[in-house]
Amino acid sequence: ETGVTQSPTHLIKTRGQQVTLRCSSQSGHNTVSWYQQALGQGPQFIFQYYREEENGRGNFPPRFSGLQFPNYSSELNVNALELDDSALYLCASSLVRGDEQFFGPGTRLTVL
Amino acid sequence: DQQVKQNSPSLSVQEGRISILNCDYTNSMFDYFLWYKKYPAEGPTFLISISSIKDKNEDGRFTVFLNKSAKHLSLHIVPSQPGDSAVYFCAASEIGNEKLTFGTGTRLTIIP
Repeated sequence: ETGVTQSPTHLIKTRGQQVTLRCSSQSGHNTVSWYQQALGQGPQFIFQYYREEENGRGNFPPRFSGLQFPNYSSELNVNALELDDSALYLCASSLVRGDEQFFGPGTRLTVL
Repeated sequence: DQQVKQNSPSLSVQEGRISILNCDYTNSMFDYFLWYKKYPAEGPTFLISISSIKDKNEDGRFTVFLNKSAKHLSLHIVPSQPGDSAVYFCAASEIGNEKLTFGTGTRLTIIP
C-alpha cells in the first residue's frame, strides 16, 4: 500500500510568483487536508477536500486555493507569494471524513 | 491565539526511563485529542489518540492521559527507547470538525 506522496520535495520561488504543490493520497482515501508548518511551529490547517469539494478552511487568505481530482489526488495553489509563505506544506489523507489522517513528507517552500 | 500549547520545547530522558510530554488546551469544544511523532524529513505519524469520554488510553509503551477539568493531556512513554527521539505534536479537534489544531511540538531526546 503506497502512502501519501508529495511533490516537489523542495521549491524556491520569489515574492509575487505563484506556486502549485501536489499530493497523492493513500490508496482508497477520499479526504485530503493541507497544513502549513512554519519554522518552530506546529502544522496549521489550511483547508480540506472531500470528494472534490472544499470541506472546511482555516484562517488563510483566498490566495491559498486548492483542487481535488476524481482520483482523490490534490493540489495546493498559492498566488502572489509573500516571504511569510516560506514553510513546510504538509498534505494528509484519511479513509473517510473524521478518520485518522496520514501525512506525507511535505514540500519545503522558500520564498525569496 | 494558541489553542493548543506545548510549553516544553525540548526534553531529554535516559533510555529505559519514563518520558512524559505535556499539552494544554484552551478550547472547551475540543473533544478528540491525538499525539503525532515527527522525524526529520518525514511527515507526522499518528501515535495514539483519546476521546473526551475517556481519561486514559494505552497502546503498548504509550499511554495518553486526559484531564478535562484542567484542560490538560499528557503522553507517557515507558520504557523510553533511542528510536523514540523525535518531535512530538499534540493535536485536537472538535466534534464534526475535520480540522486538527496542533501544538508547537516538543523535541524528545533519549540518551543511551
